[in-house]
Amino acid sequence: AQSVTQPDIHITVSEGASLELRCNYSYGATPYLFWYVQSPGQGLQLLLKYFSGDTLVQGIKGFEAEFKRSQSSFNLRKPSVHWSDAAEYFCAVAAGNNRKLIWGLGTSLAVNP
Amino acid sequence: DAMVIQNPRYQVTQFGKPVTLSCSQTLNHNVMYWYQQKSSQAPKLLFHYYDKDFNNEADTPDNFQSRRPNTSFCFLDIRSPGLGDAAMYLCATRGRSGTGELFFGEGSRLTVL
Repeated sequence: AQSVTQPDIHITVSEGASLELRCNYSYGATPYLFWYVQSPGQGLQLLLKYFSGDTLVQGIKGFEAEFKRSQSSFNLRKPSVHWSDAAEYFCAVAAGNNRKLIWGLGTSLAVNP
Repeated sequence: DAMVIQNPRYQVTQFGKPVTLSCSQTLNHNVMYWYQQKSSQAPKLLFHYYDKDFNNEADTPDNFQSRRPNTSFCFLDIRSPGLGDAAMYLCATRGRSGTGELFFGEGSRLTVL
C-alpha cells in the first residue's frame, strides 16, 4: 500500500542553522512528490514538487528537496532557517490514476531566536 | 490573483445545528476537494468532485454532504454537527494536468458548542 512517513514529529532549530526534514514514501510506480507548509490557522502552501528530471528541486522561500529513488526518500532542506519558517511541514505523494494525495503525518518546526 | 477562497474563515455553531461552508475558485480547475484537518494531524480527504462527478471517501460520515452547482463553487454541508466535527475544513483544487498538485484555500475553522 502507498504510504508516506515523516519520522520526525517535532524539530527545533536555531535561527540561521541548517534544516533537513525527512520524508520516506512507499509507492510502486514513479512518484509525484510534494512538500507543503502550513502556518498556524492557515491553509497549505506548496513549497516544491518533483515529477521527473533533475532529482534536486528548488522551491519557494529558499527550500530545496532531493529525490533519492534508491532510498525512497524526498528530504526537504534549507541552508539557513528564519524565524518565519516555524510551521507544520507535510510531505505527500500523488498516487493512482486519480492522483490522490497520500499525506505524511507532518513535522512541526520550531525556530529558536 | 487567481485563488481559492473559503468562507467563512471562522464558523461557530451549536451541537446539531446545520452549517454550510463555501469554497470558490478562479483557477478554472475541474477537480475540487474537501478535507477535514484536526489539530496536529494531516488533512483527511472527505470527498472530491471531478467535474460534476462526486466521489465520496468510504469512511466519510453521512453527516457530511457536498454540492457543486458550477465549476467555480463548492459547498460543504454538515447536517448535524457533533463535537467531534470541530476542525479546520480545507478546500483545494486541481487542474487537468494530472500531476496531483493541489491549490488550497485558507480554510474554515469550525467550532461546535
